[in-house]
Amino acid sequence: EDQVTQSPEALRLQEGESSSLNCSYTVSGLRGLFWYRQDPGKGPEFLFTLYSAGEEKEKERLKATLTKKESFLHITAPKPEDSATYLCAVQETSGSRLTFGEGTQLTVNP
Amino acid sequence: DTGVSQNPRHKITKRGQNVTFRCDPISEHNRLYWYRQTLGQGPEFLTYFQNEAQLEKSRLLSDRFSAERPKGSFSTLEIQRTEQGDSAMYLCASSPGTGANQPQHFGDGTRLSIL
Repeated sequence: EDQVTQSPEALRLQEGESSSLNCSYTVSGLRGLFWYRQDPGKGPEFLFTLYSAGEEKEKERLKATLTKKESFLHITAPKPEDSATYLCAVQETSGSRLTFGEGTQLTVNP
Repeated sequence: DTGVSQNPRHKITKRGQNVTFRCDPISEHNRLYWYRQTLGQGPEFLTYFQNEAQLEKSRLLSDRFSAERPKGSFSTLEIQRTEQGDSAMYLCASSPGTGANQPQHFGDGTRLSIL
């Protein structure tokens, strides 16, 4: 059974203080690893897809990386508007469903 | 707005009542998914359609739950004889049919509260 574990559960940063979120996964065969951002009362918003170990994707202050066992979401010089819950999900080669972790709740203080 | 649309946004009902939610996917997306999310947890997969065919169902989807996607367009999720444990956010997502690893785009969900 696919498993996704995210850490930390919650993270508080000062504006401009860079950090990383971790997503560890166990899957029989990885088709893709997905990062989403979720604001309170909203649905998850797609950020990145990573397909193979060594791959990296960037968008503004966010950079996602992938190894065979985990993915990192690096946040460089965050701003208060980056405050949200960040979700990681895996999709295995045999199916279409996403298996999500429990998320990391990020708060960036001005 | 051309995103995934879900209605209603909120539903409050008494235990034992039936409820139905609607999802309109992004135009031309032929894959449609339903997930359930409780507070502090990530979304959990319920079921998946490709066009009008329901191709996968989670064991979370008990006999009280039924989903349809007539004509491969919008979808409905019905819960019969609701229970307290059904209280959650019900999320719908859609993706293009070209490649199973295309990202799923989510609506803002229907929040169900059981009194």
